[in-house]
Amino acid sequence: EVQLVESGGGLVQPGGSLRLSCAASGFTFNNYWMHWVRQAPGKGLVWVSRIKSDGTTTAYAGSVKGRFTISRDNAKNTLYLQMNSLRAEDTAVYYCARGDCSGTSCQFDPWGQGTLVTVSS
Amino acid sequence: QSALTQPASVSGSPGQSITISCTGTSSDVGSSNFVSWYQQHPGKAPKLMIYEVSKRPSGVSNRFSAFKSGNTASLTISGLQAEDEADYYCCSYAGSSTSWVFGGGTKLTVL
Repeated sequence: EVQLVESGGGLVQPGGSLRLSCAASGFTFNNYWMHWVRQAPGKGLVWVSRIKSDGTTTAYAGSVKGRFTISRDNAKNTLYLQMNSLRAEDTAVYYCARGDCSGTSCQFDPWGQGTLVTVSS
Repeated sequence: QSALTQPASVSGSPGQSITISCTGTSSDVGSSNFVSWYQQHPGKAPKLMIYEVSKRPSGVSNRFSAFKSGNTASLTISGLQAEDEADYYCCSYAGSSTSWVFGGGTKLTVL
């Protein structure tokens, strides 16, 4: 069974840091791009970041560029999101998602269950 | 990059059909076949329902269909069932710099 399990969320003060992890199983992790998507309480989905299958290429939403760093350890089948200089507006459930892509299609499937990050003093 | 535009809510009675629109621009929906739709029940992770504009993953009911015309994508759910009550999000690739953009989400209520 293809599965993604996030961890590392919690309460952090403004300006603080947190590292999220996403453990993948049931598929060949190093064949897939991976993404982070977040959802603020009561709000919609927002794409945050992506990383290429071999870790050589990354991209970020403007709202997190320069503060967040996506990385992966293919030997451990794990995706990471290092979040620095956290702000109240970063409060959200963070989902990791597999980029299921072929030549003609690309979509997020599956998704993890999410981990809640709360930035508050 | 602004979110794609979806109606905040739609509703329908069991057995009826509803359509949810998703309006973007020529930089995302209008120029991409990487348009997908996701269903999200309260407290749950999103689930892929439609990919590549109109294709259904295995296991998704054929009551779900979708198409695109110009800068607007649409999701239709026919034969509404109580279990269809959820939030629905469209998503499109928006180029290498912006990457991906989601719609604001539509809450479907089955009356």
